[in-house]
Amino acid sequence: EIVLTQSPATLSLSPGERATLSCRASQSLSSFLAWYQQNPGQAPRLLIYDASNRATGIPARFSGSGSGTDFTLTISSLEPEDFAVYYCQHRYNWPLTFGGGTKLEIK
Amino acid sequence: EVQLLESGGGLVQPGGSLRLSCAASGFSFSSYAMNWVRQAPGKGLEWVSTISGSGDSTYYADSVKGRFTISRDNSQNTLYLQMNSLRAADTAVYYCAKARVAYPNSWFDPWGRGTLVTVSS
Repeated sequence: EIVLTQSPATLSLSPGERATLSCRASQSLSSFLAWYQQNPGQAPRLLIYDASNRATGIPARFSGSGSGTDFTLTISSLEPEDFAVYYCQHRYNWPLTFGGGTKLEIK
Repeated sequence: EVQLLESGGGLVQPGGSLRLSCAASGFSFSSYAMNWVRQAPGKGLEWVSTISGSGDSTYYADSVKGRFTISRDNSQNTLYLQMNSLRAADTAVYYCAKARVAYPNSWFDPWGRGTLVTVSS
């Protein structure tokens, strides 16, 4: 089973600042990694797939990068609605697994 | 617009059974794999099971293998999860999610709103 480790667990920033979230895999994933956003009480939403492709309707301030074992989600300038929990997920093989999440909170 | 609506959750005793349903609309249901993903209270996301568009191929997390069965009725555009021998550790919100593209090991997009399953005596 591939283990995904997200860091930091919690990130405290202010609106307008840049956020950088990390996801590290226990083995190479090529580019088979996605990022999801989950707001309180809501279902997750796909943000980024195949490491760097924005899903439909996702604002350009969200970007993904990386390949192999190290991946990054960057939010260029935080909006109030961006404060949420973010998960990474791979589809390299079975079982599909998620990272433990990064909570992005308002400083 | 793709819509996924889960139902069937509730309170069940340990060792009991429950069947979840997910009614899908807004896309060609039989062309896409479908998934169940769960989230225990205050915890992260856990993939549970995936079924191919035809229903011929199924995949399970080790934590549910042998106890849960995923199935689909393409004539009714409905996904199911039969859950047997339920344990307290199965308590979670269960989400139905469409595969982003046709093949089973795809991304989850979009997700339903979820249905809560509580296993407790």
